[in-house]
Amino acid sequence: NAGVTQTPKFQVLKTGQSMTLQCAQDMNHNSMYWYRQDPGMGLRLIYYSASEGTTDKGEVPNGYNVSRLNKREFSLRLESAAPSQTSVYFCASSVRQGLMVNEKLFFGSGTQLSVL
Amino acid sequence: DAKTTQPTSMDCAEGRAANLPCNHSTISGNEYVYWYRQIHSQGPQYIIHGLKNNETNEMASLIITEDRKSSTLILPHATLRDTAVYYCIVSDRGSTLGRLYFGRGTQLTVWP
Repeated sequence: NAGVTQTPKFQVLKTGQSMTLQCAQDMNHNSMYWYRQDPGMGLRLIYYSASEGTTDKGEVPNGYNVSRLNKREFSLRLESAAPSQTSVYFCASSVRQGLMVNEKLFFGSGTQLSVL
Repeated sequence: DAKTTQPTSMDCAEGRAANLPCNHSTISGNEYVYWYRQIHSQGPQYIIHGLKNNETNEMASLIITEDRKSSTLILPHATLRDTAVYYCIVSDRGSTLGRLYFGRGTQLTVWP
């Protein structure tokens, strides 16, 4: 059981380049999330998907887009990368039971992204 | 606005109990208290959560005050592997949004 898998683990981009961070979970979870973590900071929510077919903005959505491709996969896209987007990105998933969400999140191991 | 307040750092001797405090004075009746930890460069790991009653699992105990305005996470016998940043989070499980907001947490250092 792999849990939450993120690819790539490391990426270096030039300003203005685009890329997609991939995330997949094999736990049959409904909800998925993208967080970023800057040095010395806690995690900040970028986007989340409460269930397949829905996505919503979190605290810091500007400069990002997401796609909930299916129940397993939730991707994060940077259309035109900026140095301010240098960060560690974490994907997470959790179970949703009706209107109640189990906030027991399972996290991936992260993607270290540097934008030069 | 931050919903929780935690000390920036704490330390603890190996084998002793680590008691990590958290203030959440504006917590509402339907909000739970969650604790996560993040070992250096890894993704956060769920520890425990509770609403009103004290909770215990294989990792830790959670003590919530009667007025629910503060809580304490207890690691009964801290080891070097418990060195991590510990996050206290309050969240409304009934919300269809169901998202967690992490603050800066408490850096716990366990020393030999």
